Amino acid sequence: GQSLEQPSEVTAVEGAIVQINCTYQTSGFYGLSWYQQHDGGAPTFLSYNALDGLEETGRFSSFLSRSDSYGYLLLQELQMKDSASYFCAVSRRGQNFVFGPGTRLSVLP
Amino acid sequence: GAVVSQHPSRVICKSGTSVKIECRSLDFQATTMFWYRQFPKQSLMLMATSNEGSKATYEQGVEKDKFLINHASLTLSTLTVTSAHPEDSSFYICSASGQGLGTEAFFGQGTRLTVV
Repeated sequence: GQSLEQPSEVTAVEGAIVQINCTYQTSGFYGLSWYQQHDGGAPTFLSYNALDGLEETGRFSSFLSRSDSYGYLLLQELQMKDSASYFCAVSRRGQNFVFGPGTRLSVLP
Repeated sequence: GAVVSQHPSRVICKSGTSVKIECRSLDFQATTMFWYRQFPKQSLMLMATSNEGSKATYEQGVEKDKFLINHASLTLSTLTVTSAHPEDSSFYICSASGQGLGTEAFFGQGTRLTVV
């Protein structure tokens, strides 16, 4: 089977840096993605890692270690609008995604 | 980027009736569509995977006779919740993938189903 683990909640203040970790167990691993979802909305794509290392996209960065079955999403210069749920997702063959339980990020003023 | 349109965004139906949710890829051919269900404050749970022109593959525990999926064309997949009950009330989201679109999943806007 497959399973993913993420912290359920994270709280930080505006301007801070926060790291959301994700560990996974799965067969047929192709890559690790991160999605953001605001309450009542659909998930939106943030990043994707297929190879080990760090991918940077503006204020967001994502890291993957395939040997450790571990990745993280790093959010810098936090803004109030970053308050949302963040899901890591393992992509398998056929672009079939398995989503983690989600981390609810609260950004405080 | 690729656009997926899901309709309706909200629906309220009476217990025992059926509801159809449509998922359309607007600017690409969706060879595969995925249907997810999300309960409040929980993650997205994959219900089924549908490939155009073939029967959907359902995840364990999902009743295929209750959640009918049709993927008759490369731009349209439908999910029909038959004989809906209050416990079927949830947020249903589709996503689509297609050739040349890489590894990103393109999601519809979601459908909030309330069964009363």
